[in-house]
Amino acid sequence: AQSVTQLDSQVPVFEEAPVELRCNYSSSVSVYLFWYVQYPNQGLQLLLKYLSGSTLVESINGFEAEFNKSQTSFHLRKPSVHISDTAEYFCAVSYGGATNKLIFGTGTLLAVQP
Amino acid sequence: DTGVSQNPRHKITKRGQNVTFRCDPISEHNRLYWYRQTLGQGPEFLTYFQNEAQLEKSRLLSDRFSAERPKGSFSTLEIQRTEQGDSAMYLCASSVTGKNNEQFFGPGTRLTVL
Repeated sequence: AQSVTQLDSQVPVFEEAPVELRCNYSSSVSVYLFWYVQYPNQGLQLLLKYLSGSTLVESINGFEAEFNKSQTSFHLRKPSVHISDTAEYFCAVSYGGATNKLIFGTGTLLAVQP
Repeated sequence: DTGVSQNPRHKITKRGQNVTFRCDPISEHNRLYWYRQTLGQGPEFLTYFQNEAQLEKSRLLSDRFSAERPKGSFSTLEIQRTEQGDSAMYLCASSVTGKNNEQFFGPGTRLTVL
């Protein structure tokens, strides 16, 4: 079955420290990979995506993720986090097809402490 | 571009009652998705429309659930004879064919069944 695994349900980190949120997906010939962020009481916002081309993708607010086909991973990283990065982060995969529906992981709460 | 809107934002109902939610996608978006998110979980796909045609339904969508998208614009999701297990956040997303499958999410409707 197609699935996405986010092993860490919560990641506490101090402000200005680096962070990595892990995401693994079940293998497929081709995938499209996404990270969404959900701030408290808000909807999901797209953070970054991998569709093709360069395996390293970046967001405008300093996050980056690297597509690793051999490891079937798409980990999210940031070299220095801010208090405002506190949110729930969801990794999602689309295996294409007619619908391009998204399959989400269970989410990781990034809790940035001062 | 006013984003995806959903109404109501919150709905509290008693078990056995019927409820209906509405989603207004971004104008010109021909693809529309419904997802359900329960506490501590990532969103799960429910159903997909391309224009007015409902092309895929998840097994999660029992016979008590029905979705429509008349005229290919707004969509409604109705739950009949609600059960406590239906309590969740119902998310709507829209996208446009050929735009790299970027799905834009609404703020969701939080349903509480007492």
